[in-house]
Parts: sequence; C-alpha cells; structure tokens
Amino acid sequence: DAGVIQSPRHEVTEMGQEVTLRCKPISGHNSLFWYRQTMMRGLELLIYFNNNVPIDDSGMPEDRFSAKMPNASFSTLKIQPSEPRDSAVYFCASNHGQFYGYTFGSGTRLTVV
Amino acid sequence: QKEVEQNSGPLSVPEGAIASLNCTYSDRVSQSFFWYRQYSGKSPELIMSIYSNGDKEDGRFTAQLNKASQYVSLLIRDSQPSDSATYLCAVNFPSAGKSTFGDGTTLTVKP
Repeated sequence: DAGVIQSPRHEVTEMGQEVTLRCKPISGHNSLFWYRQTMMRGLELLIYFNNNVPIDDSGMPEDRFSAKMPNASFSTLKIQPSEPRDSAVYFCASNHGQFYGYTFGSGTRLTVV
Repeated sequence: QKEVEQNSGPLSVPEGAIASLNCTYSDRVSQSFFWYRQYSGKSPELIMSIYSNGDKEDGRFTAQLNKASQYVSLLIRDSQPSDSATYLCAVNFPSAGKSTFGDGTTLTVKP
C-alpha cells in the first residue's frame, strides 16, 4: 500500500499565481480531507469529501480556494490567486469512514513570495 | 470552549519515565477517539484508536478512555528520545462526520 500520495512536496510561487495541489487517497477509502497547518493556527480542516461529494467546505478560507474530487482516486486543491498568507503545509488525508482514523499524506509545503 | 482540548505544553520527561498526555472533549456522544504522533517536519501518524471505556495497550503506549468524564489520555511508558514529537488528540463527533483535532502537546524526552 503506497499510502496517501501528495504532489508536489514543495511549491514556491509568486503572489498572484495559481497553485494546484494534488492528492491520491488510499484505494478503498471513501472519505478524503484537506488540511492546512501553520504554527499560528495549527491543523485546520479546509474541506472534506465523502464518496467524491464535498460534504463540508466551511473551512475554506475564501473564494480563492477551491477543491474537486472528480473520482475516487484523485483530488485537487486550487488557490487562485495565491497570497503570501497562504504559505503553509497542506495535508491530504483519507479514511474508511467516520469511525476510523486518518492516514495522512506527506504534505505539500507551499511558499508564496 | 474548544471542542477538543489538550494539555498546554510543552511537556518534558527524562528518558525511561512515563509521559502522560491528556485530552478532554465537549460532546458526550462521541464514539471514536484517536492519538496521532507528528514529528517535526512530518505528517501526523495515527498511533492509537480507542472506542470503549477503559484501557487499550499497544507496546509502550496505553490509551485510556473515560466517556463519563469526557476524557482520553495517552501514556507512554519507558519514554525514549525517539518519542519526542507533538501528539494530537482527535475525536469524532457523530453529527460532524469527521474528526476534530486538539492543538497538540509537544513532548520532549531528555536522555
């Protein structure tokens, strides 16, 4: 089992550019979560999907953020336009359902300059 | 009041001691409880799950759950420097369908 796969591992971009983060959940897991982690705010849930359907996007900071899950094996988180305050580590996680713990990907460290 | 609260850290223990990490939660009907370990610069890793009142042991780790007191803890026996990490408590609230994480407690085990 390759685990949850995220790409890229690191991303450095200029303010105003579009950023796309990618995630492949573990096969068979029906829930997928996008988190953001900073020293100041800790681990924040941005959005989660159940069976490819967005269930709760209340954590998405603003309209600049969007997420999609076109099929069970792929999800994207897009930031357009990016701003320096978006700099953080973004984690994707998946699980079998609400009674199970999460498996996290290795994360994408985003730096917006 | 936060939904999931953990010890304010950091916590420092000598090698070989027992480290005790505590977590309280707000929803009495919660059913699933988790502890994650996060090394600096790495992603959180699930180390313990507990669903019933009492103790659950896995090697040097013991999770304890008391639903009446809305309290879950993690004990690490014979602490090792390699246990130095941030430990995150997570609780699944049935109405939410997802885990809510505490802010984490940073543990340092000194040789």
